[in-house]
Amino acid sequence: DVKVTQSSRYLVKRTGEKVFLECVQDMDHENMFWYRQDPGLGLRLIYFSYDVKMKEKGDIPEGYSVSREKKERFSLILESASTNQTSMYLCASSSWTGGRTNTEAFFGQGTRLTVV
Amino acid sequence: GENVEQHPSTLSVQEGDSAVIKCTYSDSASNYFPWYKQELGKRPQLIIDIRSNVGEKKDQRIAVTLNKTAKHFSLHITETQPEDSAVYFCAAKGSTGGFKTIFGAGTRLFVKA
Repeated sequence: DVKVTQSSRYLVKRTGEKVFLECVQDMDHENMFWYRQDPGLGLRLIYFSYDVKMKEKGDIPEGYSVSREKKERFSLILESASTNQTSMYLCASSSWTGGRTNTEAFFGQGTRLTVV
Repeated sequence: GENVEQHPSTLSVQEGDSAVIKCTYSDSASNYFPWYKQELGKRPQLIIDIRSNVGEKKDQRIAVTLNKTAKHFSLHITETQPEDSAVYFCAAKGSTGGFKTIFGAGTRLFVKA
């Protein structure tokens, strides 16, 4: 069974704080993703990584950065948290089979972040 | 950029009726179309997917159809049950632009008993 684990279910942080959201997967997947989920907006991609130390911007990278020092771990960093970053954050991973084949994404349980 | 539009945003059906959710995508290079179900308080999970070389796929009460020419795909749930109540997301993934999956905004399905 694929496991994608996020370090916290709920977090409350103050405006201006530096926030780290951690995600670990145990299936040796090459690809990892960070999404935020907001009502009416679906899942929006913040950043993704297709290899260790590789990262690509998604659709809404502003105010965020990421780190992938090890294959199994992908961290999302809010450099200076703001109230408009209050959201549900979902991590996902998927394998890359080579060529043009795409595979499903497996999600973590989500981290509900509140910035006050 | 790539975009996936999903309709309706909310759908309410009577138990036993069918439910249809429709999505359109903009990137003609998209070749993989998964559907995810997210129950309240839980993570999204894949329920069915279809690749661009297939027009239709069925798994028990759920089916997905793909029209590559029109760039739209649909989820069909027959004989709906209360446990089908959830948020459903369509998505499109291409071979360009890295390995991004672009999601629709989601459809909240209510199945009334």
